[in-house]
Amino acid sequence: NSKVIQTPRYLVKGQGQKAKMRCIPEKGHPVVFWYQQNKNNEFKFLINFQNQEVLQQIDMTEKRFSAECPSNSPCSLEIQSSEAGDSALYLCASSLPGTGGDTQYFGPGTRLLVL
Amino acid sequence: QQQVRQSPQSLTVWEGETAILNCSYEDSTFNYFPWYQQFPGEGPALLISIRSVSDKKEDGRFTIFFNKREKKLSLHITDSQPGDSATYFCAASSGSWQLIFGSGTQLTVMP
Repeated sequence: NSKVIQTPRYLVKGQGQKAKMRCIPEKGHPVVFWYQQNKNNEFKFLINFQNQEVLQQIDMTEKRFSAECPSNSPCSLEIQSSEAGDSALYLCASSLPGTGGDTQYFGPGTRLLVL
Repeated sequence: QQQVRQSPQSLTVWEGETAILNCSYEDSTFNYFPWYQQFPGEGPALLISIRSVSDKKEDGRFTIFFNKREKKLSLHITDSQPGDSATYFCAASSGSWQLIFGSGTQLTVMP
């Protein structure tokens, strides 16, 4: 069973508001991923980190989305100005060392609803 | 561009039957294929995975069959149980860190 912790489980925001969610990866997992799962079950990769450094991110996250993984603190994903289309399940995953990052274990997600 | 396709979109089987979930892909650089099980309100849980050097991977009632030439794989769930009712996602990776997911198969196991 995955030990990735995500908080909060539910988040309700108005359009234009900030939305911030947090993730604690499994202990000893150096790589952290954020994905967005929409209501049609489509997954979209957002960003990943190895330790505190960004490895990859999509263009979307360079504009309204920001993320960080500081040492000794939870990782976070923040949407600066929420839009209705951001309503989705935001999933954090962490990766087992030595697997090239592809063996990923997911947390329960933060369900964001933007009204 | 949909790089990982799953079929059927939904599947209903009776308890004790074998459920067969299909997945195909386009990118020949994909070399790792995990299957995830997701229950409503939860995150995806890694169920079983296979690397492209193998053609079969078995774990209890769950078996992946992999055909590299045809770029197809399938997940067989034998002796299906009502507790197996969930959405199953096939994913793929080429070692580039991010996973590419299919759109899922919603499995219902009738008692």
